[in-house]
Amino acid sequence: DGGITQSPKYLFRKEGQNVTLSCEQNLNHDAMYWYRQDPGQGLRLIYYSQIVNDFQKGDIAEGYSVSREKKESFPLTVTSAQKNPTAFYLCASSMRTSGRETQYFGPGTRLLVL
Amino acid sequence: GQQVMQIPQYQHVQEGEDFTTYCNSSTTLSNIQWYKQRPGGHPVFLIQLVKSGEVKKQKRLTFQFGEAKKNSSLHITATQTTDVGTYFCAGDQGAQKLVFGQGTRLTINP
Repeated sequence: DGGITQSPKYLFRKEGQNVTLSCEQNLNHDAMYWYRQDPGQGLRLIYYSQIVNDFQKGDIAEGYSVSREKKESFPLTVTSAQKNPTAFYLCASSMRTSGRETQYFGPGTRLLVL
Repeated sequence: GQQVMQIPQYQHVQEGEDFTTYCNSSTTLSNIQWYKQRPGGHPVFLIQLVKSGEVKKQKRLTFQFGEAKKNSSLHITATQTTDVGTYFCAGDQGAQKLVFGQGTRLTINP
């Protein structure tokens, strides 16, 4: 069954702690993305990757880091530098990095700060 | 920075009423995509428009792309409870990546 998966579904972070959100796809897509969703603000791009071992900052990259060591995986680390991390995080993938490619989204991870 | 504005932010209708959401870009778009996110879910692709003035229909949903390729609309005829959710437009403003609008959240009174 092809698709994009994210884990965990819910994640709790303590003050000063780094946490990593997992994103895996078996669609053989080159491009992967991380978005943050806050109520009433739509989807904001954090980072994206066009190909393995390459990634680019999006509009709100501060306080986040990513890696792309494998085509299938694009984990996102929310660092302690991100002062307001509570949000819904969505991972997506597309065949290529192009505005004409359909993006396929994972089910998301809700991050809450304790 | 690049922006795609979407209005209204919220819309509540009676079941059976029509619904429209509008998407506007400050710059010309090469294409526009529409996504639907059900409550508690993730965005799911609905459709893509590429040509100036293009109109596409999916059952009760009608999508339009403006002549100047700077605006788009989604119209739902005779809403049903299954239409509940947030509708997002997303366009390519020339940077080879999608910019999403803020979304319009549709709620329906049965």
